[in-house]
Formats: sequence, C-alpha cells, structure tokens
Amino acid sequence: QSALTQPASVSGSPGQSITISCTGTSSDVGGYYYVSWYQQHPGKAPKLMIYDVSYRPSGASDRFSGSKSGNTASLTISGLQTEDEGDYYCASYTSKTFGVFGTGTKVTVL
Amino acid sequence: QVQLVESGGGVVQPGGSLRLSCVASAFVFSDYTMNWVRQTPGKGPQWVAVIWHDGSKKYYADSVKGRFTISRDNSKHTLSLQMDDLRADDTAVYYCARSQHILTTLDHWGQGTLVHVAS
Repeated sequence: QSALTQPASVSGSPGQSITISCTGTSSDVGGYYYVSWYQQHPGKAPKLMIYDVSYRPSGASDRFSGSKSGNTASLTISGLQTEDEGDYYCASYTSKTFGVFGTGTKVTVL
Repeated sequence: QVQLVESGGGVVQPGGSLRLSCVASAFVFSDYTMNWVRQTPGKGPQWVAVIWHDGSKKYYADSVKGRFTISRDNSKHTLSLQMDDLRADDTAVYYCARSQHILTTLDHWGQGTLVHVAS
C-alpha cells in the first residue's frame, strides 16, 4: 500500500488561505468518507484537525476545513497564522490493508 | 483529559527485542480500539499494529507481521507492543494512539517513545 500523495511544501503569508491536497485511489480516499488530517509541530505528536473529510474535533480551530472530490481530499487553512507552521498529514481508511497516511506537507508562513 | 503515556523505547541491537507499553487514563479504555503508529524523521506516520477494544481482532502491517505482537490489559488500562527480531528499519518514534468511531481516525496520541536499532 503506497502512501497518499501530498505536495512537499506549501507556503503563504499571514492572513492568506492555503490548500493542501491529498491524492489516493478508489480503494482509499475516493471510496470512503474516512479521510482525516493531522497537524504536527517539531518534536511533537500529530494532532487531529479534521475527520470524516470535513468535521472538526473540539479544540481544532475553525480556520481549518476539509473537502473531497473524487480521489483527492483537501485541507484548507484560512487566515493563516504563524502558529499554523508545521507538518500536515492526511490519512484514510483503505480496503487493501487498514489505513494509510500521506507523504506529508510542510507549511511555511512567510 | 485523555492521556496516553508510552515507555519502553531505547537502543537495541539488530535481532534484539523490546517491549513498549502505553498507559491510558481519563477515558474508558476498554471501549476503544488502540493503535501503535511509528514515524521516522521526515516521513509520514505508518500504522504498525491495531487491536480492537476487546482484543478480539488485531491488525499488523506486513513489515512487522510475525515479529511484533500487540496486546492489551483492559483491567490495567495498558496497551503493549512486543517487538522481536528487530531490524535497522524498525528505528522510529513509536506512538500509541486511540481510534475514534472510524478506526483509522486517531483522536488522541501519546508523546512517543524512540526505538533505535543499531549495532
């Protein structure tokens, strides 16, 4: 099972919006509404930001939103802030094994 | 608040063994599927092993099948990972994580424990 494909890096200025893509196949992202997104700061554990494609858990900022079209899911961060810098990973259920994570995207606030 | 605290990591030679533990608190441990997930620097996390809430079902990544064993003691709120025949490519930070209602959604993670396999 190959990792889901994400862009290596995305950047934006404070206050702007950025979008991170996560591309899989019909066996994972495209086949189920079970995509989640995680934020990770250096030396820290991942933190759940979005689940079931577009739902935010309590404690996650409402500046984070998720969507999906076909085999590609997307995470949008609106009103970008310096604290949003870090690595972001998508994950999905897959019918082939159990679950699969994405390759990761480094977000830089310019 | 939910807490997951891992222990047991360290340096081990190839072919050696380690046992990781994760102690859970502030939630009904026996109600939740639990996971071990590992991550090497600069790479995405990878599922290692999963155990259903009652221990009735287990999943292992192909790369660890036959070498690693996941278990849980619901009376002690403890998740374990017995790692045998360790290889250099098992070197990673190992996280304990709790599954949400969709099992591949991990809503709480421990701080991680480092396993380094080297001669």
